[in-house]
Amino acid sequence: QVTLKESGPGILQPSQTLSLTCSFSGFSLSTSGMGVGWIRQPSGEGLEWLADIWWDDNKYYNPSLKSRLTISKDTSSNQVFLKITSVDTADTATYYCARRGVSFDYWGQGTTLTVSS
Amino acid sequence: DIQMTQSSSYLSVSLGGRVTITCKASDHINNWLAWYQQKPGNAPRLLISGATSLETGVPSRFSGSGSGKDYTLSITSLQTEDVTTYYCQQYWSSPLTFGAGTKLELK
Repeated sequence: QVTLKESGPGILQPSQTLSLTCSFSGFSLSTSGMGVGWIRQPSGEGLEWLADIWWDDNKYYNPSLKSRLTISKDTSSNQVFLKITSVDTADTATYYCARRGVSFDYWGQGTTLTVSS
Repeated sequence: DIQMTQSSSYLSVSLGGRVTITCKASDHINNWLAWYQQKPGNAPRLLISGATSLETGVPSRFSGSGSGKDYTLSITSLQTEDVTTYYCQQYWSSPLTFGAGTKLELK
C-alpha cells in the first residue's frame, strides 16, 4: 500500500525559508524509474508543479521558481525534502508530494502553508 | 513551456448524461497526458495516464482519448460523485504543466 504524507511549518513570515518533508511508504526511491514530486495549489486555484527527484538522484525544477527551490531525498528513511527560500504571500498554498512513475499516481493529503507577517 | 488549455472552466451537466472535457496542448505531447479528479478538500486523484489508460479502480464510465495536441476526458452516465473538478497534465517535457481545471456543475 502506497502512502505519502507531507509535513511543514504551517505558517511562515515573509523572507523565511520553507522546509517541507514528504514521508512515504509502500515503495522505494532506490527502485529504478521511481520518483517523487512536489506540487502546490493556492486555495481555489490550479495546480503548479514545483520539482521532482528520481531514484538516480536526478532533480528537475520548475524554472519559474528554480532559484528558490532545493529538492533532496533520504532513501534509507523514505523521505523527500523540499526547501523554498525567501517565501512571500504568493507562496501561500497547499503543498502536495506525489509518487511519480510517469504521471503522479499516488498523492499525499497535502500540507497548508500560510505566509503572513 | 508547454501550455495546457482546458477550454471550459465550468461545464453544466446532468446526472446520467455524458460530459466531455477538452484539453489542448501548445505543442505535441505524444499522448503523455494524465487526467486528475479533485474533490474539495482532497488531493487530486489520477484517473487516466498515457491519454487513454484507465487507472486501477477508476470506474469504466471514465475514458480518455486524443493524440498530438488535443485530448478529451469523457464521462458517461454521470454520477453525483463525478460532479467536481478535473485537471489535465502533460508530462512530455519539463516543466510539467497542468490545465487550469474544469469544474462540473449540475444544471
